[in-house]
Amino acid sequence: ETGVTQTPRHLVMGMTNKKSLKCEQHLGHNAMYWYKQSAKKPLELMFVYSLEERVENNSVPSRFSPECPNSSHLFLHLHTLQPEDSALYLCASSQDPQGLAGEQYFGPGTRLTVT
Amino acid sequence: AQTVTQSQPEMSVQEAETVTLSCTYDTSESDYYLFWYKQPPSRQMILVIRQEAYKQQNATENRFSVNFQKAAKSFSLKISDSQLGDAAMYFCAYRSARSGSARQLTFGSGTQLTVLP
Repeated sequence: ETGVTQTPRHLVMGMTNKKSLKCEQHLGHNAMYWYKQSAKKPLELMFVYSLEERVENNSVPSRFSPECPNSSHLFLHLHTLQPEDSALYLCASSQDPQGLAGEQYFGPGTRLTVT
Repeated sequence: AQTVTQSQPEMSVQEAETVTLSCTYDTSESDYYLFWYKQPPSRQMILVIRQEAYKQQNATENRFSVNFQKAAKSFSLKISDSQLGDAAMYFCAYRSARSGSARQLTFGSGTQLTVLP
């Protein structure tokens, strides 16, 4: 369970705050992902980075800003969030391009609460 | 766009018994991958089993097996000899095999499995 780590595990922030979520993978992968998991809804893919280049951005509001400085690290910068942004944010990594063996490995998530 | 449907929000099974979780999906593609992921409470999501659409043989991993019905677009998970540690949220997921779309996993809404001692 230490292949993909995320910090912090829990975060409470006000709507005017700025915070960042961090993800680190120790698997030698070259693709990383941010997902949003809300209660009773399917996981929603937010961003995909492959070889440190953003390759997918699924209509995510600009108050979420990803950053991938290298293939092992991924950040999600948060600012002026809304209460409906409260959710579990999951990071994942994989080897890209993916065949069947390119499964995604998930981190434990950051539980975000926006007050 | 592909969609994945899990019609059972909650299921329960007696320890040592067998349970089947349902999943259906909608796609116009012929080549794709299907997955079952397990998310225990407050723990990481892990891959349980995977299936390549072009393979007719159902995948099996120890006590976990799938019933893949491509024509019906059905992909159910069977857990045999259920154990307390199997209690978790189970997600069915779809991934295209088409180049350029192969990164995105489409998830169902999940089935919460409770194992009763």
